[in-house]
Amino acid sequence: AQTVTQSQPEMSVQEAETVTLSCTYDTSENNYYLFWYKQPPSRQMILVIRQEAYKQQNATENRFSVNFQKAAKSFSLKISDSQLGDTAMYFCAFLLAGSSNTGKLIFGQGTTLQVKP
Amino acid sequence: AAGVIQSPRHLIKEKRETATLKCYPIPRHDTVYWYQQGPGQDPQFLISFYEKMQSDKGSIPDRFSAQQFSDYHSELNMSSLELGDSALYFCASSLRAVYGYTFGSGTRLTVV
Repeated sequence: AQTVTQSQPEMSVQEAETVTLSCTYDTSENNYYLFWYKQPPSRQMILVIRQEAYKQQNATENRFSVNFQKAAKSFSLKISDSQLGDTAMYFCAFLLAGSSNTGKLIFGQGTTLQVKP
Repeated sequence: AAGVIQSPRHLIKEKRETATLKCYPIPRHDTVYWYQQGPGQDPQFLISFYEKMQSDKGSIPDRFSAQQFSDYHSELNMSSLELGDSALYFCASSLRAVYGYTFGSGTRLTVV
């Protein structure tokens, strides 16, 4: 079975600074996908970034980037130039790839990020 | 763009009552997922449907059932409600799961 671990329950960062959220996962599979989701106080789950395990290049979406270390089974999220609107709970999630398109996401415990003015 | 629509947004029920949650996926998305998120917890997978057939099942209590209808909307039925069922229930849909899900805003169920 796959597991996802986020070891930082809470983090804070000053506005305009950079913060890195950690995520590790455990799987014996080789083909999978990793995601970061953001859940602001409005509680809507929003996809931030995705990474395909077979790609060595780290994914980037504007101020959000990941550091994907497949051998270490690590998938951290870096937020640059933090903004007040980045305040949210962030979930790391794992999806096993396969012949089905209907795979279920497995979430980590979440990290609450507070961006301070 | 159309999003995943969930109703109701809030629901208060008494113990042993029944609740029905509805989900309207994004048009042309063929898979619907249901997740339960307790206070301060990560979302837990309940059940999914692909093309109106159940495709996977997680930690869903026997008191809960779900189905997907011909118009692709889905309903989660919960009977004999318990205090521990109080949670945020998310529905999500996807065309291909590898591209990520689109989540609805959730239904906050409070059992009193």
